[in-house]
Amino acid sequence: GAGVSQTPSNKVTEKGKYVELRCDPISGHTALYWYRQSLGQGPEFLIYFQGTGAADDSGLPNDRFFAVRPEGSVSTLKIQRTERGDSAVYLCASSSLAGSYNEQFFGPGTRLTVL
Amino acid sequence: ELKVEQNPLFLSMQEGKNYTIYCNYSTTSDRLYWYRQDPGKSLESLFVLLSNGAVKQEGRLMASLDTKARLSTLHITAAVHDLSATYFCAVDNPQKLVFGQGTRLTINP
Repeated sequence: GAGVSQTPSNKVTEKGKYVELRCDPISGHTALYWYRQSLGQGPEFLIYFQGTGAADDSGLPNDRFFAVRPEGSVSTLKIQRTERGDSAVYLCASSSLAGSYNEQFFGPGTRLTVL
Repeated sequence: ELKVEQNPLFLSMQEGKNYTIYCNYSTTSDRLYWYRQDPGKSLESLFVLLSNGAVKQEGRLMASLDTKARLSTLHITAAVHDLSATYFCAVDNPQKLVFGQGTRLTINP
């Protein structure tokens, strides 16, 4: 079946602009996660959705970052007034939360460059 | 705050040799995951380790978990060039994963 998909694959924007990044999880997966990966680092957690609600948004760096998942499937990560430090690869993952573990399947990522 | 440390961070080895990557974490958890990442690509799930003493093997890779020592290992047997990639361990915290810095593995002919 289809994996996690993310659009766009690359986004170049100017400092101060608004951007939206989209994630389409694996069909039937109730849990959806956003991570951010800077060059040479491991992914860092941003936010986790269970269904439509944000179950944990403790990783969002500040109030310029916001994410929604209105129908419990596709999610959009929104970044306002972008800064050069927001440049990174934004990864989305989904999980079925079946059984006792939480194996997360990752999408290809969106590479965001803020000039 | 949970911290996950991998070592080494960089590893260059010859084909046919064996080596081990170590993953230490700072607080109690009994669920640990290993991922592989190729340059410019996303993360591919390799192993899910769910309990103390868990051991999983796939081809030339074997992963183990010691929850009492808060340590997981990824052992590479008779390395081949195709295994060149960056390997991450991640600990379930819970629900959100906390990743190590990654080990960049280069296997030379």
